Amino acid sequence: GAGVSQSPSNKVTEKGKDVELRCDPISGHTALYWYRQRLGQGLEFLIYFQGNSAPDKSGLPSDRFSAERTGESVSTLTIQRTQQEDSAVYLCASSLVGTGGLSGYEQYFGPGTRLTVT
Amino acid sequence: AQSVSQHNHHVILSEAASLELGCNYSYGGTVNLFWYVQYPGQHLQLLLKYFSGDPLVKGIKGFEAEFIKSKFSFNLRKPSVQWSDTAEYFCAVNAYSSNTGKLIFGQGTTLQVKP
Repeated sequence: GAGVSQSPSNKVTEKGKDVELRCDPISGHTALYWYRQRLGQGLEFLIYFQGNSAPDKSGLPSDRFSAERTGESVSTLTIQRTQQEDSAVYLCASSLVGTGGLSGYEQYFGPGTRLTVT
Repeated sequence: AQSVSQHNHHVILSEAASLELGCNYSYGGTVNLFWYVQYPGQHLQLLLKYFSGDPLVKGIKGFEAEFIKSKFSFNLRKPSVQWSDTAEYFCAVNAYSSNTGKLIFGQGTTLQVKP
């Protein structure tokens, strides 16, 4: 079946502009995650959705970052007033269920959106 | 705060050499452990995972990892690497008690296998 898709694949924006990144999870996956990967670093957790609620937003770096999700479907990550330090690959992942423990979940990752702020 | 440390940032091996990539985590409770791989030009994909039971887990493409609770480690191994194993490898941890499945990742290890 179809995997996780993200758009755009690349985005170049000027400092101070707002950007929206989109994620389409695997159909039926209730959990959705956003991560960020800066050059040469590992992935940093940003936010977790269970359905359309976000019980864990602890990774959002500032109030310029926000995200929403429509039901158990599409999610958008919005970065307002972009800064050069926001340049990174933004990855989305989805899984069947989202809780820790022995739920046997696996996160499936999308291809990412490479954001460059000039 | 939880953290994951991968000791080797860049590893270069010849084909048929054995591989061991180190991963240590800091978290006192029960954890779920993962290794993800990203081949050039491809998405991150799961290599193997540990939730419970036998601490030696086997994954795809001949990879295995051993969970040693006393050492907070989950090292990845392969007895004989191939050129096609050239990729970036990430270790990740999820706290069992967490009410989210969020993963904490190590910084990654780039493996280059010379033919």
